[in-house]
Amino acid sequence: EAGVAQSPRYKIIEKRQSVAFWCNPISGHATLYWYQQILGQGPKLLIQFQNNGVVDDSQLPKDRFSAERLKGVDSTLKIQPAKLEDSAVYLCASSLVGYNEQFFGPGTRLTVL
Amino acid sequence: SQQGEEDPQALSIQEGENATMNCSYKTSINNLQWYRQNSGRGLVHLILIRSNEREKHSGRLRVTLDTSKKSSSLLITASRAADTASYFCAPWMDSSYKLIFGSGTRLLVRP
Repeated sequence: EAGVAQSPRYKIIEKRQSVAFWCNPISGHATLYWYQQILGQGPKLLIQFQNNGVVDDSQLPKDRFSAERLKGVDSTLKIQPAKLEDSAVYLCASSLVGYNEQFFGPGTRLTVL
Repeated sequence: SQQGEEDPQALSIQEGENATMNCSYKTSINNLQWYRQNSGRGLVHLILIRSNEREKHSGRLRVTLDTSKKSSSLLITASRAADTASYFCAPWMDSSYKLIFGSGTRLLVRP
């Protein structure tokens, strides 16, 4: 079974630039999550999708972050414009249903200079 | 905070010893999950224990859950150098319908 795919693996940008991350979940998984993990901390949920719909985006900084999940499969997370404090690893995860175990992708390490 | 909070923050043991990590949370849960993260394999699910379960085993892992005390523990028996990683507990909160990760316990297993 193929795992959760993410790209790119690494990204370095200047502050105020834009960046986008892509995630392809495990086939058949209805629930998709984006997490932000700052060094030394646990993952923080940014947004949770159930198929095409948003279940929770309470911690997504909506003035600069946006996310979509087209056709209930792939998802993109965008930051525009980036700030220094956005430097982190962005993790995508998926699960069959919300309360089940989550399968994580390798993450994208973002550095904002 | 509603997050699972792990204790200790860091743990260093000799290979072959047992490692115990504790987790506390604050509100009612549907289940509690433990994850491991190392540089090689990313974040990996270890075990899920439901709110009506008290103990669960998986290989060298033993998880307990005490809902009356809102706490859980993860025991790794006969540790190996490959167990070196950060371990996170993540309660699935009934109230918010999501996993809340703590800051983790950093485990170092010395050869």
